[in-house]
Amino acid sequence: DSGVTQTPKHLITATGQRVTLRCSPRSGDLSVYWYQQSLDQGLQFLIQYYNGEERAKGNILERFSAQQFPDLHSELNLSSLELGDSALYFCASSVAGNGSPLHFGNGTRLTVT
Amino acid sequence: GEDVEQSLFLSVREGDSSVINCTYTDSSSTYLYWYKQEPGAGLQLLTYIFSNMDMKQDQRLTVLLNKKDKHLSLRIADTQTGDSAIYFCAEGNSGYSTLTFGKGTMLLVSP
Repeated sequence: DSGVTQTPKHLITATGQRVTLRCSPRSGDLSVYWYQQSLDQGLQFLIQYYNGEERAKGNILERFSAQQFPDLHSELNLSSLELGDSALYFCASSVAGNGSPLHFGNGTRLTVT
Repeated sequence: GEDVEQSLFLSVREGDSSVINCTYTDSSSTYLYWYKQEPGAGLQLLTYIFSNMDMKQDQRLTVLLNKKDKHLSLRIADTQTGDSAIYFCAEGNSGYSTLTFGKGTMLLVSP
């Protein structure tokens, strides 16, 4: 058990809808990362927060947004969903966010129909 | 930008040793990681090595780093069917916020 908790485990929704994925980092970790994993694209970095502030942005679409709250949990919001957004979404956390080890949650599997 | 390359697939017999290879391009990498992903699960941190080390051993796992060639390998001794998974190599740099992952090597262990 990595100590990173993601909810929900599975999500099925229709095109055009909006969903929110939730992540609680390991105790003591200040940095949260979101990754998307699909068969064709592999593991894609989306965005990173450190102690509530956005630290780095990767291949995140404009339809997607995230935030990290004062209690350090994070949410990833996906809107105007398309079939191609179906993927596994992982949250990871680390102590410092400067190349230190990432600890991953078990992911949320999103299916857009 | 940084790039991490791995072979996509490796098949071994139970009891044999497995060697999974990885190359990276960022010469300023500080840490190099190996993660394991089993079906339906997240990535599990297996081991990591600092760039000033050549080798690290942890039970059945041996990590070798050739910094000159920017080559990292993971050797699994006495491979078991439970080792079947996807193995990701990743590199980290204290100057960057996140890790760069390879596309993963699928290890299939047959009885």
